[in-house]
Amino acid sequence: NAGVTQTPKFRVLKTGQSMTLLCAQDMNHEYMYWYRQDPGMGLRLIHYSVGEGTTAKGEVPDGYNVSRLKKQNFLLGLESAAPSQTSVYFCASSLAGLTEAFFGQGTRLTVV
Amino acid sequence: AQSVTQLGSHVSVSEGALVLLRCNYSSSVPPYLFWYVQYPNQGLQLLLKYTSAATLVKGINGFEAEFKKSETSFHLTKPSAHMSDAAEYFCAVSEIQGAQKLVFGQGTRLTINP
Repeated sequence: NAGVTQTPKFRVLKTGQSMTLLCAQDMNHEYMYWYRQDPGMGLRLIHYSVGEGTTAKGEVPDGYNVSRLKKQNFLLGLESAAPSQTSVYFCASSLAGLTEAFFGQGTRLTVV
Repeated sequence: AQSVTQLGSHVSVSEGALVLLRCNYSSSVPPYLFWYVQYPNQGLQLLLKYTSAATLVKGINGFEAEFKKSETSFHLTKPSAHMSDAAEYFCAVSEIQGAQKLVFGQGTRLTINP
């Protein structure tokens, strides 16, 4: 019973490089979220999706893009990484907007 | 837009003492409110949630929270702290209308002293 799986778990990037974080859920959830967690700032919503083929901006969307081509996957892209994007990234999914969100284990990204 | 403020980024209590973690929210429509817990190097897991059915909500591990509309608060309590309660706690809000996206507070790190 996998739940929410994030790939990769750790990554070090050089400034200006690009990468994609993958989130996969096997619970047939409609909603999916990408958050970043920084010390003292809690979890800030980057982008979210309310269903396959839809995406919307959260609180801190700049520098990130997302896609939800398949219901079970939600991809987060960094086109040109910056040191300010060093963070722990969490993906979550929920059956609907008002139900419990299930979280992945996180991706620790360092941009040097 | 909805928002959450957690008062106190770090709370320290003795084992066996009362735990009180404060959360205030802002929402223009009726909210759903959640408390999540994060243990070191793990993702978040749900402790409890308020969905307008009852103002006092009981969760896992002996935690409970009371929704007070007049104070726009949803404070988390536990009568007697245990060493295993040491973790970071997050309050979150989702609005019953609109996008229903989940927005978190800054988090409160709970330390338990033996």
